[in-house]
Formats: sequence, C-alpha cells, structure tokens
Amino acid sequence: QSALTQPPSASGSPGQSVTISCTGASSDVGTYNYVSWYQQHPGKAPQLMIYEVTKRPSRVPDRFSGSKSGNTASLTVSGLQPEDEADYYCSSYAGGNIVLFGGGTKLTVL
Amino acid sequence: EVQLVESGGGLVQPGRSLRLSCAASGFTFDDYAIHWVRQTPEKGLEWVSGIGWNSGNIGYADSVKGRCTISRDNAKNFVYLQMNSLRVEDTALYYCARGNAIYARGYFDNWGQGILVTVSS
Repeated sequence: QSALTQPPSASGSPGQSVTISCTGASSDVGTYNYVSWYQQHPGKAPQLMIYEVTKRPSRVPDRFSGSKSGNTASLTVSGLQPEDEADYYCSSYAGGNIVLFGGGTKLTVL
Repeated sequence: EVQLVESGGGLVQPGRSLRLSCAASGFTFDDYAIHWVRQTPEKGLEWVSGIGWNSGNIGYADSVKGRCTISRDNAKNFVYLQMNSLRVEDTALYYCARGNAIYARGYFDNWGQGILVTVSS
C-alpha cells in the first residue's frame, strides 16, 4: 500500500486554470475508475468534489473537472476564485477492500 | 440531513486500547459502507479502515492491520473502530465518513467533524 503522489503545492491567479495531478500505480489508479477528489479548508472536514474520475456532486460548480490517463488522475479548476484556495486530496480504490489517499496539494490563489 | 458524529477519542498511553464510535443519522444506514480516515499535519489524510453495508467487505490499512477491528451495528446505526496496541504514530484526528452501497466505488460523500486521538506517555 503506497500513497498516491501529488505535488505539494499549486497556484494560479483569479480566472486562470490550474491542474493538480495524482499518480498511482497500475494496481490502483490504472485499474479502477474509482478516483475521487476532496477539498479541505483549514479547520474543516474534507468535502467530496469529484468521484469516479469525472463525476461531480450536484453542489460542486462545473469549474471543477476530473480526468484520468493511465496511472495518473487529474483535477482541473477553471476560472479560479479566491474561495478555491484550499488543500486538495485525491484517493483511489486499490482492490482488496483498500483505499489510498494522496499526500495532498495546497492550492494558492495569487 | 446526513450526520456522522464521532466519539471515544482522547489521551491514551502507548500500548493501551481505545474504541472509537461513529453515530449515524439522516439516511438509511444499512445501505452504505462506512469508513475511518485519519489526518495529521505531517501526512495529511490516511484511510484507516472501511466496512461494507452488511459487513461483507472489510479492509484495513497496513499501518493498522492486526491492531484494529472495525464493526457495525445496523440496528443502532453505529460503526466502531477498536484500536489496540496504540502507538505514538496513531496520534491523529479521526474522521468517520460515509462510503457507498458498492464498497469498491470508494468515495466518501459525507464526513463527521472528527475526533482527536493522542497517544502519549
């Protein structure tokens, strides 16, 4: 069980787009379309933003989108807004009733 | 409204045991898997354990396997995490999170507010 790999930080100016990567292995991200993304503001519980690679809960703005290629999943935030500044975590089902998380990415809106 | 409320945390000495509880309300409890996820400033989020709607699917992270046991009581709408042989590195904020009817879909759409576990002598 190895954690998924995310860049520790990302940044962009308001209105710009930013993409955060999440790299796993052929046994987790590469096999299962069960990648999800979470947003966490300081002192708050995480919130689901994307599930099953590309799906958005109804409350999540369509500025947030997900994709996957091979062993790497990505979260793209378009039209950055100040309230998007937060920590973002990816996770993936890894088989055998195991779920893995990435180390998290701190997104800064400049 | 979906609610998940954790309890049972606190300060415990290394080697001792603790049982965390997660009380669920606002949804049909036995339709969903429930998971425990912990968080530290150093490591971020770490999945700890999960249990399927009928306890048919159960999983543990390598870091806790053999020391933790997850269980659920569908009559009382509770999930429990029994933690034994606690280590300093188990110190974290522990979240209870709702999974899916299909365990493998592996996403968590509702989270509790977390309960702090501190392992220290």
